[in-house]
Amino acid sequence: DTAVSQTPKYLVTQMGNDKSIKCEQNLGHDTMYWYKQDSKKFLKIMFSYNNKELIINETVPNRFSPKSPDKAHLNLHINSLELGDSAVYFCASSQGTGSPLHFGNGTRLTVT
Amino acid sequence: QKEVEQNSGPLSVPEGAIASLNCTYSDRGSQSFFWYRQYSGKSPELIMFIYSNGDKEDGRFTAQLNKASQYVSLLIRDSQPSDSATYLCAVKKTSYDKVIFGPGTSLSVIP
Repeated sequence: DTAVSQTPKYLVTQMGNDKSIKCEQNLGHDTMYWYKQDSKKFLKIMFSYNNKELIINETVPNRFSPKSPDKAHLNLHINSLELGDSAVYFCASSQGTGSPLHFGNGTRLTVT
Repeated sequence: QKEVEQNSGPLSVPEGAIASLNCTYSDRGSQSFFWYRQYSGKSPELIMFIYSNGDKEDGRFTAQLNKASQYVSLLIRDSQPSDSATYLCAVKKTSYDKVIFGPGTSLSVIP
């Protein structure tokens, strides 16, 4: 029943490692997003895909690479993890222009 | 100037009172406006969306939009302790479906 699901829910790893977060939505939406919420709770957009095509790529280090195999899935791979990458990463989807975002439950990434 | 601004709070109101949350945005061409509620440790959940100037009511919640003043607000009537959360204002820009969030306002409803 979960509309937007992310895995894993928690991710604890050491600096320098590579990790991935997966996201899937069953709402039939065309657009998917990755947002980062830092310790001050500020939600900042990272990437957006529309029908598997990258349409938003904010100022994000190129260690972050999104991949969308189809419009229902959007994954985030992070290379060479740094302490500053520790945050909660939210996947979201929307139907299109003007439509609200539906969020996944988030992935809490802790880099030690 | 930040793209979307909100009073950070915390805002404290007694149970049963009206809570008023405010948001201003910088892009005059913005078309869609959203209010999300986020409980600690949870994901944001949509409360209201508004596209046209004026008021939009849904139960105890009323969203107000004034595009000329670039201002959007959320009123919560008969506030309940369960309304205690962070409220995020979000604005959707005209291009590329970019949704920008404000920093959030922390609301505490005191029983």
